[in-house]
Amino acid sequence: GAVVSQHPSRVICKSGTSVKIECRSLDFQATTMFWYRQFPKQSLMLMATSNEGSKATYEQGVEKDKFLINHASLTLSTLTVTSAHPEDSSFYICSASIPSGGIYNEQFFGPGTRLTVL
Amino acid sequence: QQQVKQSPQSLIVQKGGISIINCAYENTAFDYFPWYQQFPGKGPALLIAIRPDVSEKKEGRFTISFNKSAKQFSLHIMDSQPGDSATYFCAAIVGTYKYIFGTGTRLKVLA
Repeated sequence: GAVVSQHPSRVICKSGTSVKIECRSLDFQATTMFWYRQFPKQSLMLMATSNEGSKATYEQGVEKDKFLINHASLTLSTLTVTSAHPEDSSFYICSASIPSGGIYNEQFFGPGTRLTVL
Repeated sequence: QQQVKQSPQSLIVQKGGISIINCAYENTAFDYFPWYQQFPGKGPALLIAIRPDVSEKKEGRFTISFNKSAKQFSLHIMDSQPGDSATYFCAAIVGTYKYIFGTGTRLKVLA
């Protein structure tokens, strides 16, 4: 259980175009989904937190107009990188959480999407 | 205060040896400490986790040691295998869901 998928796994696009990445919780309903960015040989950096049906909360320094997040249902969140530039090339990872009944909610991570902007 | 410091950055261990990765934190509000394993091109997968009211947790070959007074915790991989070669991240949770990740340790286990 607790499987999270991402699509596509890899995408190459031209500079100036927009790219949409999907994140799905396959066997559970996720109250909250997260988007992370990971540069080569670096740690995961939280970009934004989204709850179904409400606006995403972005971390400091993350441009919300550039990284559009839509959490349309309890099993689907999308990240759209608008007007992508080469510096946006990175590994994007989503995660989904469900209440554990305790004081914290465990996150389950997707397999990641490698974005390359030419 | 929100940082989790992880060391070493990279580690090479002989097959059958013990791999030890250390993490330290400052924020006493952290209340859950998971370790993740990540293979190249894949998302992180939960390995083992510990609460601060426990000093040690063992699952198979993986053990977390937790020192609350020193604000440090470590992952021990016993009988390390080449298949354990991956990047390991410690993390700490603040609040109900916000994860703060360590900088990662690239482990290579030699056959």
